[in-house]
Amino acid sequence: DGGITQSPKYLFRKEGQNVTLSCEQNLNHDAMYWYRQDPGQGLRLIYYSQIVNDFQKGDIAEGYSVSREKKESFPLTVTSAQKNPTAFYLCASTGLAGYNEQFFGPGTRLTVL
Amino acid sequence: DQQVKQNSPSLSVQEGRISILNCDYTNSMFDYFLWYKKYPAEGPTFLISISSIKDKNEDGRFTVFLNKSAKHLSLHIVPSQPGDSAVYFCAASGNTNAGKSTFGDGTTLTVKP
Repeated sequence: DGGITQSPKYLFRKEGQNVTLSCEQNLNHDAMYWYRQDPGQGLRLIYYSQIVNDFQKGDIAEGYSVSREKKESFPLTVTSAQKNPTAFYLCASTGLAGYNEQFFGPGTRLTVL
Repeated sequence: DQQVKQNSPSLSVQEGRISILNCDYTNSMFDYFLWYKKYPAEGPTFLISISSIKDKNEDGRFTVFLNKSAKHLSLHIVPSQPGDSAVYFCAASGNTNAGKSTFGDGTTLTVKP
């Protein structure tokens, strides 16, 4: 089955620690995205990548970093510089050609204690 | 400046009746619009889309209407079912950012049996 996987589903970290969220897709999609969702709010774009070894900042990139070494993988690191990291993080992908809907993973709930 | 707005945070309708969810946008460069459905603690799933060359797109119980002059779109669900209860996100994209979408804050739909 094709799809996007995110792990883990729930993640707890102490304040000041960096943490990396995993996102893997087997849809052969070129573009991948990371969003953050806070209660009562929409999806805010953190980073996106349209091709391997290239990525761009989204609307709220401060305190986050990404890499795109493989087409299938787009991990997100939440650094200690992110002032309010507790949130629900969603990864998505889409084919690059034309206007396509995004396919989302199940999300990771990060709680910083 | 929020470019995609869903002004109603919540909507409650009776089973079997019509649900109408609204979305407004400000960026005239947007030319492709999508609706996503999201259950708690899950990733959004694509529901229906519309290109700016159309004013209506229908898929079963779901119809999306686009009024370009008013920069307004709406999602109609007829008849509404309890399983439709979820958060609905409106999203918009333009031809300058392949695959990247701007999301609204969402509307929580509750369909009462």
